[in-house]
Amino acid sequence: RKEVEQDPGPFNVPEGATVAFNCTYSNSASQSFFWYRQDCRKEPKLLMSVYSSGNEDGRFTAQLNRASQYISLLIRDSKLSDSATYLCVVFTGGSYIPTFGRGTSLIVHP
Amino acid sequence: GAVVSQHPSWVICKSGTSVKIECRSLDFQATTMFWYRQFPKQSLMLMATSNEGSKATYEQGVEKDKFLINHASLTLSTLTVTSAHPEDSSFYICSAPGQGSGNTIYFGEGSWLTVV
Repeated sequence: RKEVEQDPGPFNVPEGATVAFNCTYSNSASQSFFWYRQDCRKEPKLLMSVYSSGNEDGRFTAQLNRASQYISLLIRDSKLSDSATYLCVVFTGGSYIPTFGRGTSLIVHP
Repeated sequence: GAVVSQHPSWVICKSGTSVKIECRSLDFQATTMFWYRQFPKQSLMLMATSNEGSKATYEQGVEKDKFLINHASLTLSTLTVTSAHPEDSSFYICSAPGQGSGNTIYFGEGSWLTVV
């Protein structure tokens, strides 16, 4: 089983739709969680951190479920510009080396 | 804020030649840098951890004699793909951990390598 797993998609949704991605992690010692966005042929960029209490930033909401060992990302009112790959990133224990999921591809169409 | 600069952005080379990719931290010192490879529709795979002034730590399955890493200064790490083959064609990206707490990751812009 991979340490960090994501559904690769693609998720193909119309503008204005709400879409949710999940990411599961296998190591219960994982401590820090993030969502990154990666556009085609570009470096990943931080979208948001994920906290146990949840984290909301505009149309984006991230949640952490430690009991079930998954994190989620909810995007409301999807825009064309949201089309990208969304990477789940996990830090475990005291390590500063991140583990990346393979990413979930989102395509928002008119 | 802190910036990591990577170049070249893309390079095409012939089979059998070597290619060097540079990664620089522009306004901070990076004692550690990470090198990743990403194939299409795949996740970033850690190849090695570059340590300033000492040997790099390679991940299992990564040939250290093929992927030479040098981290001679606190602001520069280089990855040299030696005797490149078409299967080495990929997106290579470096990163440096941020200063202080928070697990910040500073990525370089990435380098697309095509071996023909």
